[in-house]
Amino acid sequence: QSVLTQPPSVSGAPGQRVTISCTGSSSNIGAGYDVHWYQQLPGTAPKLLIYGNSNRPSGVPDRFSGSKSGTSASLAITGLQAEDEADYYCQSYDSSLSGWDVFGTGTKVTVL
Amino acid sequence: QLQLQESGPGLVKPSETLSLTCTVSGGSISSSSYYWGWIRQPPGKGLEWIGSIYYSGSTYYNPSLKSRVTISVDTSKNQFSLKLSSVTAADTAVYYCARRIVVVTAGNWFDPWGQGTLVTVSS
Repeated sequence: QSVLTQPPSVSGAPGQRVTISCTGSSSNIGAGYDVHWYQQLPGTAPKLLIYGNSNRPSGVPDRFSGSKSGTSASLAITGLQAEDEADYYCQSYDSSLSGWDVFGTGTKVTVL
Repeated sequence: QLQLQESGPGLVKPSETLSLTCTVSGGSISSSSYYWGWIRQPPGKGLEWIGSIYYSGSTYYNPSLKSRVTISVDTSKNQFSLKLSSVTAADTAVYYCARRIVVVTAGNWFDPWGQGTLVTVSS
């Protein structure tokens, strides 16, 4: 039922840069609604990683960065570390029907 | 530091009603800046937003679940609750509660989250 599409998996060696895309439509990201990102480590609750497209909460390393353009958004992880191995989800708002919060399909990041 | 904690039965029979409560500590549920939400995650799958509520009682729900969902708030107990009726095995999931932050210039997001509680639908 997700209206935001992410690649199922991405991988990279330690130190490399990986990016995760989040593709929406004209009723969510393309309508100007901001995108937010969450990191979910195995067996734990999701944790806010990026809010308002590109803002990092206090305590989030600057290795994580976000951007948005058109109907898509991206999360970049530079200097990949073993501890970054987790599931990542984007989230936005969709104005179709009566308006609702929507999550992406999720992306598993594997550190090789 | 704001904390949220889900509570409720871990096992619910098919066709019955799932009931969960989220207790908020370290802050007031009556703050005008926030909504409060429920999100679920079936085993091995992604996140699904269920619905959100304002302290005044104003609610909005996922269209696909709207006919079965009721979210309520008890400001005197600093709690909000979820009821999902006519459950099936497809409703088996980890259920999370979270604070929904709303900022006009930056949208709305969920932070922090409770630790989550697994609810299994089975006879």
